[in-house]
Amino acid sequence: EAQVTQNPRYLITVTGKKLTVTCSQNMNHEYMSWYRQDPGLGLRQIYYSMNVEVTDKGDVPEGYKVSRKEKRNFPLILESPSPNQTSLYFCASRPRGGRPEQYFGPGTRLTVT
Amino acid sequence: DQQVKQNSPSLSVQEGRISILNCDYTNSMFDYFLWYKKYPAEGPTFLISISSIKDKNEDGRFTVFLNKSAKHLSLHIVPSQPGDSAVYFCAAGGTSYGKLTFGQGTILTVHP
Repeated sequence: EAQVTQNPRYLITVTGKKLTVTCSQNMNHEYMSWYRQDPGLGLRQIYYSMNVEVTDKGDVPEGYKVSRKEKRNFPLILESPSPNQTSLYFCASRPRGGRPEQYFGPGTRLTVT
Repeated sequence: DQQVKQNSPSLSVQEGRISILNCDYTNSMFDYFLWYKKYPAEGPTFLISISSIKDKNEDGRFTVFLNKSAKHLSLHIVPSQPGDSAVYFCAAGGTSYGKLTFGQGTILTVHP
């Protein structure tokens, strides 16, 4: 089944404790993105990647890191999480070219206390 | 700067009637517009899209209209069903880059 998977689905952590949210897609897509969803703000892009070893900042990149060492994986790293990073996170992917609709993972609910 | 805006946080409609969700944008560089539907505890799922060279696209009960001069798009759902109750996001982007810019979302509730 073609899908985008994220792990973990739920995470509660404390300020300053490094964490990684994994994202994997099995559709051989070139583009991958991370978004966060917050009430009243919709989905805002954090980082995106056009291909392996190619990443760029989205609208809200502060406090996040990403890497794209393999085509299928695009982990999101919070080196020192803070309470304002409490949010619902989505990973998405799409193939290069053609229509820009993206396929989303199920989401990761992160709480930073 | 919110380049894509959905000014109605919520909409309530009776089953069988038409639901109209609206979205405004400011960036003339967008060449593709999309609607996504999101249920609780799930990721957004693609619903329907429209290219900037068209003014209407239809898929079953769903129709998207684009008014480029007004920088406005709308999603019509006819007839509305209780299973359509969800959060609807409009989004805009381009075929040449990986970014989608989303609106704030509209919660649609369809009453039986």
